[in-house]
Amino acid sequence: NAGVTQTPKFRILKIGQSMTLQCTQDMNHNYMYWYRQDPGMGLKLIYYSVGAGITDKGEVPNGYNVSRSTTEDFPLRLELAAPSQTSVYFCASSYSGTASYEQYFGPGTRLTVT
Amino acid sequence: GQNIDQPTEMTATEGAIVQINCTYQTSGFNGLFWYQQHAGEAPTFLSYNVLDGLEEKGRFSSFLSRSKGYSYLLLKELQMKDSASYLCAVTDSNYQLIWGAGTKLIIKP
Repeated sequence: NAGVTQTPKFRILKIGQSMTLQCTQDMNHNYMYWYRQDPGMGLKLIYYSVGAGITDKGEVPNGYNVSRSTTEDFPLRLELAAPSQTSVYFCASSYSGTASYEQYFGPGTRLTVT
Repeated sequence: GQNIDQPTEMTATEGAIVQINCTYQTSGFNGLFWYQQHAGEAPTFLSYNVLDGLEEKGRFSSFLSRSKGYSYLLLKELQMKDSASYLCAVTDSNYQLIWGAGTKLIIKP
């Protein structure tokens, strides 16, 4: 059971470039999330999904897009990278979206945009 | 607006006890989580409280007072491996998790 996996671990992008951050979970969780974590700040929700084919915006969705074609995969797309998107990105999943279910996190992707 | 406050940094001595406080103001309340995050790693689940009172789990305990919008995480018999950031997160009325900025705990020998 690998849990939540993310690729790549590190990436440097030039301004205006695009990339996709990959996220896969093998726990058959319905709920999946993308967060960004800036130094000294709390986790900010970018997008989430309650099941295959369903996605919704979180607190900071601008500049990002997601898709959920399968239960396992939830990729995050950056179309035109900007320095403000320099951050650590975490993917997470949970069995349910109700309050008591913990979220399981992937190891993160450290992205620098220059 | 929604807000979660935690101290930015705390220092404690190996073998001692430390209490990390968290106060919250959110639109509704459906539970409070504590996560541990070692430097450069992902957050991992520590505890969940939805009713008032103390939940004990080994060396770690978590307390909640919903009327005061307050929680604390109590760590006993501190070990060097407890050096990490501790994140408080509240589930609001829409079942969204609102995260605090975290408390960096430094353990000294």
